[in-house]
Amino acid sequence: EAGVVQSPRYKIIEKKQPVAFWCNPISGHNTLYWYRQNLGQGPELLIRYENEEAVDDSQLPKDRFSAERLKGVDSTLKIQPAELGDSAVYLCASSPGALATNEKLFFGSGTQLSVL
Amino acid sequence: GENVEQHPSTLSVQEGDSAVIKCTYSDSASNYFPWYKQELGKRPQLIIDIRSNVGEKKDQRIAVTLNKTAKHFSLHITETQPEDSAVYFCAAINTGTASKLTFGTGTRLQVTL
Repeated sequence: EAGVVQSPRYKIIEKKQPVAFWCNPISGHNTLYWYRQNLGQGPELLIRYENEEAVDDSQLPKDRFSAERLKGVDSTLKIQPAELGDSAVYLCASSPGALATNEKLFFGSGTQLSVL
Repeated sequence: GENVEQHPSTLSVQEGDSAVIKCTYSDSASNYFPWYKQELGKRPQLIIDIRSNVGEKKDQRIAVTLNKTAKHFSLHITETQPEDSAVYFCAAINTGTASKLTFGTGTRLQVTL
């Protein structure tokens, strides 16, 4: 089966520019996550969706970050305007549900963002 | 919320030796503990996981142990090979509350010839 698909793979932008990332989760996975991974650190959750509902966005910097999952499948994460400190790898992940019995979380390849 | 600490941050072993990575967690209600392997520039890949109803799980050269009383869990890799070189992340979550999966800071494992 296809894994979690993300695009673009790399993105280089100047500060104050907008940027968007796209994610297609594993088919049938209701839960979708956006994580940010800074260099040398573990992934940190930005937002979690159950179908089309954002059930945990407490770590999302809402002044500049937004996300949507309109039809409960694909998702986009946007930053506007980008700041130098936003440079990181943005990972999308999905799982069938809330990681209950036998459920596992799988990551996409990520988008490496460089803000100049 | 949950806090996961991971040690060591770097680990160098000779090929064929064993490697052990340890994690502690703060939320006694956490019940699911996955381990991910991340090679340079690639996605984190799930290599093994354990739930709180068991104390140990093995998959070929990889094993994970869980001590709920002490709130720590460990990854054991035996007969290490150069392809085991990567960054390993532990994580923990209380699936009952549908809280977030919290990751450790990672261990860079280097297997030398």
